[in-house]
Amino acid sequence: QQQVKQSPQSLIVQKGGISIINCAYENTAFDYFPWYQQFPGKGPALLIAIRPDVSEKKEGRFTISFNKSAKQFSLHIMDSQPGDSATYFCAGRGNAGTASKLTFGTGTRLQVTL
Amino acid sequence: ETGVTQTPRHLVMGMTNKKSLKCEQHLGHNAMYWYKQSAKKPLELMFVYNFKEQTENNSVPSRFSPECPNSSHLFLHLHTLQPEDSALYLCASSQGDGNYEQYFGPGTRLTVT
Repeated sequence: QQQVKQSPQSLIVQKGGISIINCAYENTAFDYFPWYQQFPGKGPALLIAIRPDVSEKKEGRFTISFNKSAKQFSLHIMDSQPGDSATYFCAGRGNAGTASKLTFGTGTRLQVTL
Repeated sequence: ETGVTQTPRHLVMGMTNKKSLKCEQHLGHNAMYWYKQSAKKPLELMFVYNFKEQTENNSVPSRFSPECPNSSHLFLHLHTLQPEDSALYLCASSQGDGNYEQYFGPGTRLTVT
């Protein structure tokens, strides 16, 4: 019930291309879905987040698409740049009880090549 | 970048050693967290403190002993660790223990030999 499954494990995209990372969750109590970006030697940092009352959220080149019925959400990075090379984690969180703590996916290592 | 600091950044210890990890947050937050990050695994929440009181222990072995003397400082005391405890240990803080954004430190890379 607490799992968040993330794919792919690693991704190589050419500069200017679109990077897509997918996540699926099981816990229907989750109502907050953040994405974190982690560079080598740094801790994860919040990148963008969505709540299930909307199907899409866009911030600059980063977009979250959310499908509540399928319990899936994805991160799209448009016009990917070498500076986007990092590990990306999706997560889910609910309001109360055991669901109130962030449950993370396993991470996707993105490499953007020139 | 400097909101949550962790020391040391790297630590190598033998299985019989005793060492401590330190975390300090400069954000005025009231909640602090310890996470374990291992390769190809989700971040694992270990402990949560809110206003210096432990609110969550996620079935962590007793060889890991947390201490939170005040809302700005968090320690993780380590003793008789196992090689499988080698990982990146991340500290985080948030305004409160609940639906607040968590800010992570850079982590301590621990190797147990």
